[in-house]
Amino acid sequence: QKEVEQDPGPLSVPEGAIVSLNCTYSNSAFQYFMWYRQYSRKGPELLMYTYSSGNKEDGRFTAQVDKSSKYISLFIRDSQPSDSATYLCAMSNTGFQKLVFGTGTRLLVSP
Amino acid sequence: DVKVTQSSRYLVKRTGEKVFLECVQDMDHENMFWYRQDPGLGLRLIYFSYDVKMKEKGDIPEGYSVSREKKERFSLILESASTNQTSMYLCASIGGLKAEQYFGPGTRLTVT
Repeated sequence: QKEVEQDPGPLSVPEGAIVSLNCTYSNSAFQYFMWYRQYSRKGPELLMYTYSSGNKEDGRFTAQVDKSSKYISLFIRDSQPSDSATYLCAMSNTGFQKLVFGTGTRLLVSP
Repeated sequence: DVKVTQSSRYLVKRTGEKVFLECVQDMDHENMFWYRQDPGLGLRLIYFSYDVKMKEKGDIPEGYSVSREKKERFSLILESASTNQTSMYLCASIGGLKAEQYFGPGTRLTVT
């Protein structure tokens, strides 16, 4: 079993939909939770990160962490075709130094 | 707006060759990282460096070495390339008060 599990998708939604992307993990020591967006043939781009449990909002993006269920989510409101990309979750117990990445979920937003 | 650059976007090498991948960042970041990205496996950390001449092994260091002689430059070396090192290699740097992290565009290495 992988430490971090992420459904590969693709997840197809119409423009304007609310998107929910999720990861589960097995290591209860993880304290830092990150979300990245990766466009085709590009490096990942850090969207947001949270420490421990709770929610964090940045524009149309909201990250949620439920440590009791070992489950994290990224919500995208009012999704746009430009949001079409692969979304990676990552987590660690030491900040950015030793991240464990999920394999990514491919999101397709159709106009 | 260049932040992290990698020396090559695509590279084809033969088995047994010594391969150098270079990464340069222009943000004066202390920490730099090398990952490889493979389908179904995600990103895996090869090595990272938290200061000049300092390095630490990541999860998959076997077959690789690194060099950091200057703060802005972090090199990944494949001493004797093998076909199982065919992959996308990504460099990243982190620094600043808000832990800004940036990835380079990646180098797709094919070893034949």
